[in-house]
Amino acid sequence: QVQLVQSGAEVRKPGSSVKVSCKTTGGTFNTYTITWVRQAPGRGLEWMGGVIPHFGRPTYAQKFRGRVTMTTVASTTTAYMDLNSLKSEDTAVYYCAAGVPGTEYFSFWGQGTLVTVSS
Amino acid sequence: QSALTQPASVSGSPGQSITISCTGTSSDVGSYHLVSWYQQHPGSAPKLIIYEVTKRPSGLSRRFSGSKSGNVASLTISGLQTEDEADYYCCSYRGSNIYVFGSGTKVTVL
Repeated sequence: QVQLVQSGAEVRKPGSSVKVSCKTTGGTFNTYTITWVRQAPGRGLEWMGGVIPHFGRPTYAQKFRGRVTMTTVASTTTAYMDLNSLKSEDTAVYYCAAGVPGTEYFSFWGQGTLVTVSS
Repeated sequence: QSALTQPASVSGSPGQSITISCTGTSSDVGSYHLVSWYQQHPGSAPKLIIYEVTKRPSGLSRRFSGSKSGNVASLTISGLQTEDEADYYCCSYRGSNIYVFGSGTKVTVL
């Protein structure tokens, strides 16, 4: 069973950046698809992008291209999501999720990380 | 990349059946048998309940079922129970490693 544990809540000022981590245990890290999804307060889920550690080339939603970077570190089985040029509209809970190799759905989820952007 | 369209809310009495629709396009729902559904209780992370349109993860109640016709996927909850009260989201593959979620549906058990 794969477990994902995310880093703690963050507060940032507009224009700054934030890096959220997602530590995975269980399974074979390099083969899972690690996906990032966010949820603004009172709003729905929004797919941001994903990466398969083995291949290392992430795919980003068009909305976030140029502002987001998703990386993985195999030695620590940890995934990271870095979002820059933060705006108040980026205030949200950010989730990482893992997909079983060769599948197109998200079986395992982290607990979420609240990022608050406020001056 | 517009979200898939879901009704904002659906309600039903205990024991009844309800169906949530998820309307996409020929570029996502209509092109791939890769629709999944997630249940989210307040303050919790989403939970996978249906994958590949009709399949249930191991151990999940048979009261949850999925289907698809053309560009519309559906989730049916039969024998509605109080613990089913939650938000539900569909998600479809859109090709080129891109995914899109639905707008979400709040299910209320009357």
